[in-house]
Parts: sequence; C-alpha cells; structure tokens
Amino acid sequence: DAGVIQSPRHEVTEMGQEVTLRCKPISGHDYLFWYRQTMMRGLELLIYFNNNVPIDDSGMPEDRFSAKMPNASFSTLKIQPSEPRDSAVYFCASSSQGRRGSANYGYTFGSGTRLTVV
Amino acid sequence: AQTVTQSQPEMSVQEAETVTLSCTYDTSESDYYLFWYKQPPSRQMILVIRQEAYKQQNATENRFSVNFQKAAKSFSLKISDSQLGDAAMYSCYQGGSEKLVFGKGTKLTVNP
Repeated sequence: DAGVIQSPRHEVTEMGQEVTLRCKPISGHDYLFWYRQTMMRGLELLIYFNNNVPIDDSGMPEDRFSAKMPNASFSTLKIQPSEPRDSAVYFCASSSQGRRGSANYGYTFGSGTRLTVV
Repeated sequence: AQTVTQSQPEMSVQEAETVTLSCTYDTSESDYYLFWYKQPPSRQMILVIRQEAYKQQNATENRFSVNFQKAAKSFSLKISDSQLGDAAMYSCYQGGSEKLVFGKGTKLTVNP
C-alpha cells in the first residue's frame, strides 16, 4: 500500500481564493482524520469521519471550512474564502480501529499539505 | 475534555547522550493508548512507540522507551544514545475511543 496520499504537497494562494486539499486514505481503513498544524497551536483535529460519515467537526474553525468524504477512498478539505491565518500544514490520517478504539498500531499520516495564503 | 501537555517546547542533547521528553495528559477514559510520533524536517509523521494504558510494563522500541505513570497521567519518552537522525519534532498523543488528542510538540535538536 502506498500509504495515505495527500495532494498537493504545497499550495500558495491569494486571500479570498478557494482552496481544496485532497486525501486518499489507506484501503480498508474506516476512519479518516483532518488535522491542522501550526507552530502556535501544534496539531489540531479539525474533523474526522467513520465509514465516510462525519462524526465530529467541532474542530473546524469556522464556516469557511468544509470537508467531505464521498467514498471510502477519497476526502477533501475545502477553505472558501481563504485567509492568511489559514496558512498551516494540513495533515490527513487514516486508521482502522476495531472494537477497542484506537487499537493496533496507531494512525497513518499523509505527508501533509503546506498551505500559504498571501 | 481530553488534554495533552508537552511542557518543553524545545530541547537539545549531545550525540550519544540520553534525553527525556515529557508528556502529561488528562482523560476520563479507562481504556486508551498513548503514542509518540516524530516529525523530521521531511514533515512525515512517523510512529515511534506506543503504550497500552492497561499494561503496566513500559514499552520499549530499540533506543526509545517510555516511562508510563498511569496514576500521574504521565508518559515520557527516553531516547538513549541519541543520534543526529533523531532530530525532529516529537509529539505525544492520547488515543481514546476514536480520536486523538495531540500535545503541541517538543523540538529536539541533536548536537554533534
């Protein structure tokens, strides 16, 4: 398996533009997570899905952010309109957790998308 | 709510020496897992070690070991015989029923 695949790796956009980040989880994983990483706040959970259904989106900063998972192999995180304070690294992670919750060997992360909004 | 605290934003260690990174957490769950991840400049998140809360024995993975104090809700990472390749951002997190809660990370510098 190629692991969790995120695209693009880098994105530079102008304030006000729409940005779409993409993620392909590991096949067979039933959980998908979107995280944002900044120096000030570290890794923050934005939203996560179980079997393509959003479970907890309480970490989504505001209505400008939206996430979808139309099928088990693809998810998007969209920011519209983007603002400079959205600049961060965005990680997608997937896992297969079983009955005991976050069991097995943790989560597999993608390489992240570095977003710069100017 | 779950919280994870890493009180050392930055640390440094001399090559071949030992360093300990601290992590404390707060959870009301009884069954959970604790993990340390490292993130080198390549940005890839790499699992270093994990600990199952119901196990008394501290996890060990080669030069990496943990000191897990469940009552104190403490989960520190010890790196022995530090190597230049250990330089990275280290984040601990607690996994409960489903989602993860991360600490803010400790940036480790290894001096030759």
